[in-house]
Amino acid sequence: GENVEQHPSTLSVQEGDSAVIKCTYSDSASNYFPWYKQELGKRPQLIIDIRSNVGEKKDQRIAVTLNKTAKHFSLHITETQPEDSAVYFCAASPRLNSGYALNFGKGTSLLVTP
Amino acid sequence: NAGVMQNPRHLVRRRGQEARLRCSPMKGHSHVYWYRQLPEEGLKFMVYLQKENIIDESGMPKERFSAEFPKEGPSILRIQQVVRGDSAAYFCASSRTGEHEQYFGPGTRLTVT
Repeated sequence: GENVEQHPSTLSVQEGDSAVIKCTYSDSASNYFPWYKQELGKRPQLIIDIRSNVGEKKDQRIAVTLNKTAKHFSLHITETQPEDSAVYFCAASPRLNSGYALNFGKGTSLLVTP
Repeated sequence: NAGVMQNPRHLVRRRGQEARLRCSPMKGHSHVYWYRQLPEEGLKFMVYLQKENIIDESGMPKERFSAEFPKEGPSILRIQQVVRGDSAAYFCASSRTGEHEQYFGPGTRLTVT
């Protein structure tokens, strides 16, 4: 089955700096890679995703890159703000009988200090 | 358009009791996924269902756990004879046919005493 590894487990940055979170996956059949943000006690929220036919995708201060050959993908947050503080999860998904079960990394706890 | 709904939000059960967790997908979504999140850990896939069908239950423990998604009504995750190790947050997510994006409900936090 798919194994997703995520690093670092914790990340502390100053407001305005950039934050980078990296994930690797093992199943070459995986073709969908979402990122979720989870605030304490809340539901995971989809913030950006990328498909295997795209190398990079950007949405305002958030970008995701994908290297299928190396089987890794990364989340980049620029100009970080205190409200970016949360746990971020990467996931990978092969197509599965018309659905897409997600295999998650263990999460990165991001703290943005003013 | 209401989001994914889950109830109850908090559930306390004594060891040996049964827990029933409910999930109503977003309107227009016919795929439901259940995930379990242990304290300070990531989410683990449990089961994937469509209406009246279990598509993949490879992440579900073999005993005590079952899931259904009937033609009418919410999807239900049922845990029989709960043990302390079942204490966790249980999230469901839903998606449209043919679409990757999964949207999560607020979760049910199960505490077994």
